[in-house]
Amino acid sequence: KQEVTQIPAALSVPEGENLVLNCSFTDSAIYNLQWFRQDPGKGLTSLLLIQSSQREQTSGRLNASLDKSSGRSTLYIAASQPGDSATYLCAVTGAGGSQGNLIFGKGTKLSVKP
Amino acid sequence: NAGVTQTPKFRVLKTGQSMTLLCAQDMNHEYMYWYRQDPGMGLRLIHYSVGEGTTAKGEVPDGYNVSRLKKQNFLLGLESAAPSQTSVYFCASSPLRNTGELFFGEGSRLTVL
Repeated sequence: KQEVTQIPAALSVPEGENLVLNCSFTDSAIYNLQWFRQDPGKGLTSLLLIQSSQREQTSGRLNASLDKSSGRSTLYIAASQPGDSATYLCAVTGAGGSQGNLIFGKGTKLSVKP
Repeated sequence: NAGVTQTPKFRVLKTGQSMTLLCAQDMNHEYMYWYRQDPGMGLRLIHYSVGEGTTAKGEVPDGYNVSRLKKQNFLLGLESAAPSQTSVYFCASSPLRNTGELFFGEGSRLTVL
């Protein structure tokens, strides 16, 4: 059974720091991996989607990498800002692309201090 | 753009009562999903649909029923609510599976007393 783990559970950094959030998964047979952002009391917003054939995706100050063989993904946030404070979740879709088995990690709660 | 809209946003029920959560999307997406989010448990899939008229069970389907009579709507029903169903419920949709990106609603907070 696929399990997705995110470490650390919480992270506090001063504004301006570059930071890395980690996501690991136990079954490397995935279709894709997504990173989401969730603000308190809100739904999830998709940040980056990496297909299994890709190694990384970039959007603005965000860069996500994928290493299927080691079962790891990282989300790199450059020059962090207080507005980046949120919970970040990763999720994997199992091989075969069945949209019924998207498995989420429990998230990393990020706090960026001014 | 409305995207994915959930109603109601908040609801309090007594044990044994029934209710329906409505999810509506205006993006013409084929796939729709219902998740629940609980502290320490993360997001878990309840039911999903791969197209109008179809539904399938997810990880935690017991105590819930769903219907997808129209492509744009996905309903989640609780026939006899239990305190264990106190949670925040999220609906999501996605286009054909080769993109995989999910679009979420803002959530419906349900409390069962």
